[in-house]
Amino acid sequence: AQKITQTQPGMFVQEKEAVTLDCTYDTSDPSYGLFWYKQPSSGEMIFLIYQGSYDQQNATEGRYSLNFQKARKSANLVISASQLGDSAMYFCAMRESGGYNKLIFGAGTRLAVHP
Amino acid sequence: DGGITQSPKYLFRKEGQNVTLSCEQNLNHDAMYWYRQDPGQGLRLIYYSQIVNDFQKGDIAEGYSVSREKKESFPLTVTSAQKNPTAFYLCASSEAHSSSYEQYFGPGTRLTVT
Repeated sequence: AQKITQTQPGMFVQEKEAVTLDCTYDTSDPSYGLFWYKQPSSGEMIFLIYQGSYDQQNATEGRYSLNFQKARKSANLVISASQLGDSAMYFCAMRESGGYNKLIFGAGTRLAVHP
Repeated sequence: DGGITQSPKYLFRKEGQNVTLSCEQNLNHDAMYWYRQDPGQGLRLIYYSQIVNDFQKGDIAEGYSVSREKKESFPLTVTSAQKNPTAFYLCASSEAHSSSYEQYFGPGTRLTVT
């Protein structure tokens, strides 16, 4: 069965420093997609970045980059130059195969950015 | 502005009552989804719909029902059969044929049943 694992319940980082949030996944499907979402205390889910299983390069979106290591089945999110507004829950998700675009979510990592 | 609307933000109900959560999108997306989130946990899929008048059960559909009579609307009914209905409910939509299949989320409804 497909599964997403986020082993860090909480992380702390100093403002302006970089931080890596871990995500490992398990699937036997050769075609899949990996997503990262941010959830502030208000509750809405904000899409950050996407990586397709066949993409040759790691995805980047502004201060966010995805360290995709296919052989290790890991898709870690790197946030550079952390800002106080980055304090939130971060969820890694995988798109299931089968054409229905179903997402499987990890348990999340709570990031706290300190001044 | 395009987006997803969920109302109300907070909802309180007595045990034994059915309650319907609203979800409306003006993104012209074919696919819509309902997720449940419990404290300290990730999202779990309740129901999803790829097209009008069609929907499928997700991982935790028991005690819930949906309808998809219009492309822009996907209401979720939490029935009295749902044993633990208190949770945060998130609606999402996506382009069914987008290469990245990104899902856009609404602001959520926090349901409390006492």
